[in-house]
Amino acid sequence: EVQLVESGGGLVQPGGSLRLSCAASGFTVSSNYMSWVRQAPGKGLEWVSGIYSGGSTYYADSVKGRFTISRDNSKNTLFLQMNSLRGEDTAVYYCAGGHFDHWGQGTLVTVSS
Amino acid sequence: QAVVTQEPSLTVSPGGTVTLTCGSSTGAVTSGHYPYWFQQKPGQAPRTMIYETSKKHSWTPARFSGSRLGGKAALTLSGAQPEDEAEYYCLLFYSYAGVFGGGTKLTVL
Repeated sequence: EVQLVESGGGLVQPGGSLRLSCAASGFTVSSNYMSWVRQAPGKGLEWVSGIYSGGSTYYADSVKGRFTISRDNSKNTLFLQMNSLRGEDTAVYYCAGGHFDHWGQGTLVTVSS
Repeated sequence: QAVVTQEPSLTVSPGGTVTLTCGSSTGAVTSGHYPYWFQQKPGQAPRTMIYETSKKHSWTPARFSGSRLGGKAALTLSGAQPEDEAEYYCLLFYSYAGVFGGGTKLTVL
């Protein structure tokens, strides 16, 4: 059974940083397209970033230059390093694997002073 | 960045048929946008229903189908069930970057 488990969310001040993790089981992160999708409270879905099996990475304009997607193949884990956080980054962050076949339960990031 | 448009809300009668559409501000939606359709119920993570315009997952009920219609991506639900009431999102890719539509709240009533 495939499981994706996000962690690392929490409360952070504007301008701060946070690193999200997405640990996979029953599924190989390095062999699949992986992505991060977020959802602000009461709002719709927003694609944030994706990484292909070959290592190419892509970002939404809203996070480009501030967020970095990466993976640790030995830990079978996907990451999202988030810097220079803003209030509008407040959202539940989901990781999704294999062209969105599998989703985690999400982790809440709140950016507030 | 492109804007992806969906109907904000639609209502369908139980057993009825409804089509949700997904348009692009850059022009016609093509197979190169790799259209996806997701279903999301309150408090749950999204679930992929259709990928690459019309492909279904093993969990996608047969009553759901995807297509391109009049320059848009379309999700058709034939024989709506009460459990199909949910928010539906489409996702299009533009040179490897994804853009979601605003979502369609589908009511089965």
